[in-house]
Amino acid sequence: QVQLQESGPGLVKPSQTLSLTCTVSGGSISSGGYHWTWIRQHPGKGLEWIGYIYYSGNAYYNPSVKSRVTMSIDTSKNQFSLKLTSVTAADTAVYYCTRVAGAMYGRSRSGFDPWGQGILVTVSS
Amino acid sequence: DIQMTQSPSSLSPSVGDRVTITCRASQSISMYLNWYQQRPGKAPKPLIYAASSLQSGVPSRFSGSGSGTDFTLTINSLQPEDFATYYCQQSYSSPWTFGQGTKLEIK
Repeated sequence: QVQLQESGPGLVKPSQTLSLTCTVSGGSISSGGYHWTWIRQHPGKGLEWIGYIYYSGNAYYNPSVKSRVTMSIDTSKNQFSLKLTSVTAADTAVYYCTRVAGAMYGRSRSGFDPWGQGILVTVSS
Repeated sequence: DIQMTQSPSSLSPSVGDRVTITCRASQSISMYLNWYQQRPGKAPKPLIYAASSLQSGVPSRFSGSGSGTDFTLTINSLQPEDFATYYCQQSYSSPWTFGQGTKLEIK
């Protein structure tokens, strides 16, 4: 079965760039049909969809972070990545990678499944 | 953005109880509604997709219903492992959004 694993620094300084990678195992990221997704959860709070990317490289972002976020995909490594620039303390969160099926037109009848275990990123000097 | 509002925010049922959690969307989302369970320190676990379809491996005591703006997650015969936080999420219109969560706490 497909498994996802986040990796990256757990501590980022304010104004710098947060960079995370999600490694996919048990399936090919370029097999199609899925949008590879980043979601975050602020400490003790709810969940926020950051955006997703298709294996073709087409990406869609939440307007709340659109000016600061870039997602990319490396099919040769079966990985996809998140970059968030100009971070502040408000970007401190647990970041999850996951996938969703059938979201070609911005809608999906599927939920996010499976999920990585999550990685806590703290923004602090 | 479509706002998702869950009620109640918290609940203190007993083992064996039947629990109902409601999720209301700020506009119609047809049946593009998913439910997740999250235990402390863990990633969310998908339970229900498309409002009423059970994810593979999820016990049949979980069920979902609704369409349009009003949705319900029901847990029959609550088990100790069901004490967790539950989130609804709409996948109808970008940006996809989640409810604020409903926490089930042991009475």
